[in-house]
Amino acid sequence: KNEVEQSPQNLTAQEGEFITINCSYSVGISALHWLQQHPGGGIVSLFMLSSGKKKHGRLIATINIQEKHSSLHITASHPRDSAVYICAVEVGADGLTFGKGTHLIIQP
Amino acid sequence: DAGITQSPRHKVTETGTPVTLRCHQTENHRYMYWYRQDPGHGLRLIHYSYGVKDTDKGEVSDGYSVSRSKTEDFLLTLESATSSQTSVYFCASSPATFYSNQPQHFGDGTRLSIL
Repeated sequence: KNEVEQSPQNLTAQEGEFITINCSYSVGISALHWLQQHPGGGIVSLFMLSSGKKKHGRLIATINIQEKHSSLHITASHPRDSAVYICAVEVGADGLTFGKGTHLIIQP
Repeated sequence: DAGITQSPRHKVTETGTPVTLRCHQTENHRYMYWYRQDPGHGLRLIHYSYGVKDTDKGEVSDGYSVSRSKTEDFLLTLESATSSQTSVYFCASSPATFYSNQPQHFGDGTRLSIL
């Protein structure tokens, strides 16, 4: 069973700060996902990675397969980025294993 | 977006009653999943389907059954609901085949309370 650990659990930062959320996992994977969940509950897929780095707007996701580690970065953070960020790993197509999430609050 | 909808969005019921949650997707995705989300545990896989009439158990499948008679519909049934099944339930779908590069698309969730 893959164990997925995220850090930090909670993060409060000021608007404009550079944010980093970390994810580590225990077993080899086929892909890693970063998801965003806003208050009210909807879950949105941000990235799906199997190697290297992806960028979308102010969001950057990286993965190091050898170290079994991924990071999600937010540049020039904004209050609308406040959400729960969830890391999940995939082995084959039989569902995802999730971390417990990082609660991010960006204060104006 | 995958056009994935869940019904009902909220339900309150009593212990011992049967409950069925419905997930409907309009994207012809092959794979569908049911997850539950609980404080302190995060999201966990209940059951998944890899095609019509093809289903398999996930991490927390006890007390749940599923059915998939059409590509677009995936039903989750609690045969006799218990208070421990109070949770928020999410459905997801994906066109994925093994090692494909397609993310899962999630429904908006069903908040189920069992009294």
